[in-house]
Amino acid sequence: AQSVTQLDSQVPVFEEAPVELRCNYSSSVSVYLFWYVQYPNQGLQLLLKYLSGSTLVKGINGFEAEFNKSQTSFHLRKPSVHISDTAEYFCAVSRSGGGADGLTFGKGTHLIIQP
Amino acid sequence: DVKVTQSSRYLVKRTGEKVFLECVQDMDHENMFWYRQDPGLGLRLIYFSYDVKMKEKGDIPEGYSVSREKKERFSLILESASTNQTSMYLCASREGVLYEQFFGPGTRLTVL
Repeated sequence: AQSVTQLDSQVPVFEEAPVELRCNYSSSVSVYLFWYVQYPNQGLQLLLKYLSGSTLVKGINGFEAEFNKSQTSFHLRKPSVHISDTAEYFCAVSRSGGGADGLTFGKGTHLIIQP
Repeated sequence: DVKVTQSSRYLVKRTGEKVFLECVQDMDHENMFWYRQDPGLGLRLIYFSYDVKMKEKGDIPEGYSVSREKKERFSLILESASTNQTSMYLCASREGVLYEQFFGPGTRLTVL
């Protein structure tokens, strides 16, 4: 079984400042890693994913994440945030190597952008 | 664009009622999923289906069942609704294991 820990439930940041949302996972097998964003009253939208290859993954809206196998982390970063980035962010893992099972999500981090 | 639709955005039911939540995807995806989302708990997998008429339990299947008679449609059934099933329910679909899950807008269910 796998688990995901998002270390911060809320992250307040001033507009145009950089941000890092932290995610650690635990798994006895190789995993695929995802970051999703949920804007108010909407479903989830994929920001980026790591399946294999380069450990630095670029996503939509200027976000990127780095997979660190030794630290079992997949932190999300953006160099300069905007008011429109205010949302709930979820880190998720799934088993790699086949299997049609679902995602295991973290509890979410609420990113609050202050003007 | 993939579209995942859910039959209702908001639903209010009474304790003991049988509740059906419907989900339809329009991209011929093999895999479909039902999650519930609760504040501070994130999303938790209830059931998933990797093909028509196939279903597997997720992490919290108790009190729920599912039906997938057609590839595009995946229904979540609450046999006898209880107040602790008040939640946001999210449906998702996926082409295969290497692909992202696409989520519907969610159904906010309140059980009184």
